[in-house]
Amino acid sequence: GAVVSQHPSWVICKSGTSVKIECRSLDFQATTMFWYRQFPKQSLMLMATSNEGSKATYEQGVEKDKFLINHASLTLSTLTVTSAHPEDSSFYICSAGPGASNQPQHFGDGTRLSIL
Amino acid sequence: DQQVKQNSPSLSVQEGRISILNCDYTNSMFDYFLWYKKYPAEGPTFLISISSIKDKNEDGRFTVFLNKSAKHLSLHIVPSQPGDSAVYFCAARGNQFYFGTGTSLTVIP
Repeated sequence: GAVVSQHPSWVICKSGTSVKIECRSLDFQATTMFWYRQFPKQSLMLMATSNEGSKATYEQGVEKDKFLINHASLTLSTLTVTSAHPEDSSFYICSAGPGASNQPQHFGDGTRLSIL
Repeated sequence: DQQVKQNSPSLSVQEGRISILNCDYTNSMFDYFLWYKKYPAEGPTFLISISSIKDKNEDGRFTVFLNKSAKHLSLHIVPSQPGDSAVYFCAARGNQFYFGTGTSLTVIP
């Protein structure tokens, strides 16, 4: 069964809307979760590392004011795409792992975001 | 800059035969490698992994081989089954996880 739950799976909304995506670890506590973005026919690109109880770490080129990350508990991280525009349309996916060395990351099912 | 590369976007194999998926990486400091399987509209599912201190790891029909000198990783599936048809991603861990672009495997019944 799924160990990481991501919701919603698909969002269609108007330009200017803010969209919140949730990522939950179901079977373990995750002090760190990761948010990725995937463009068609490209690999997963890390956007940011979500740290429980502290600020997220953003990758170069990712606007932190655009993509707000909150990791308020050991099992939940949220990504909010603020004032979304058509160019933000993409597939967003989170991952989390138990944290021990040589343990894999487990992924949510992703969120397809379409901005009209 | 793509640090993990899967040069074959697709692969077709007859049922029962061996599927070999390849992955190359550039950073010799990567210490942990993984393969994920992804069905449409689902997130990647962890399949098998290997530490850089090993050169082979086997789990049922799936075997991962690591050639550190060549910076090459491969996944062998034998025998291949139609249910194995999916996109396979390799990943490597450095200061973060780096992913390949995926290889779409089709197993023909």
